[in-house]
Amino acid sequence: DTGVSQNPRHKITKRGQNVTFRCDPISEHNRLYWYRQTLGQGPEFLTYFQNEAQLEKSRLLSDRFSAERPKGSFSTLEIQRTEQGDSAMYLCASSLRSGGEKLFFGSGTQLSVL
Amino acid sequence: AQTVTQSQPEMSVQEAETVTLSCTYDTSESNYYLFWYKQPPSRQMILVIRQEAYKQQNATENRFSVNFQKAAKSFSLKISDSQLGDTAMYFCAFEDFGNEKLTFGTGTRLTIIP
Repeated sequence: DTGVSQNPRHKITKRGQNVTFRCDPISEHNRLYWYRQTLGQGPEFLTYFQNEAQLEKSRLLSDRFSAERPKGSFSTLEIQRTEQGDSAMYLCASSLRSGGEKLFFGSGTQLSVL
Repeated sequence: AQTVTQSQPEMSVQEAETVTLSCTYDTSESNYYLFWYKQPPSRQMILVIRQEAYKQQNATENRFSVNFQKAAKSFSLKISDSQLGDTAMYFCAFEDFGNEKLTFGTGTRLTIIP
């Protein structure tokens, strides 16, 4: 068990560029979550997967955002045409079951849009 | 919509002392889960303790315990014999029964003073 891995750890991009983040969950975990955390705030839910199926998306996830989890393993979060308001830390978490289960978080990807 | 309020943005306490972090929440549901997560400077969120709302007994995990007052919608975290490694942001979080997403508070920054 190597924990949840997120790459890159930091990403600096110019406004209007596309960025993609990767999350590798704990291998036996079938649930994978994306959260966004801005400075001074708690994480906000973006979306989650059960295996390869994306089951819920937050209203925060505009049409510029897309997430995938091919084959129910790793997941990618892509932001197209980035805006300065997208600057945040993007956290990935995984769990084995639902229902108040402990989430295992990665260390996040810090995105800065200039 | 559920909301979680942490009214103490920052707290500090001497090493070995006891500290209590406050959390209140708002929900119309009767079944749910409550959590305290810790986020140290390394950024990786770690579960400290969880409580199932249908259990009257307060959860405990070694030096960490909660005071769960369901009627008052209050969920405070007590840290006994505080240690330097307890220095972190602490987030209270709520999960509605049958819902896969966590709603976090804004966090309390706790500093343990040597």
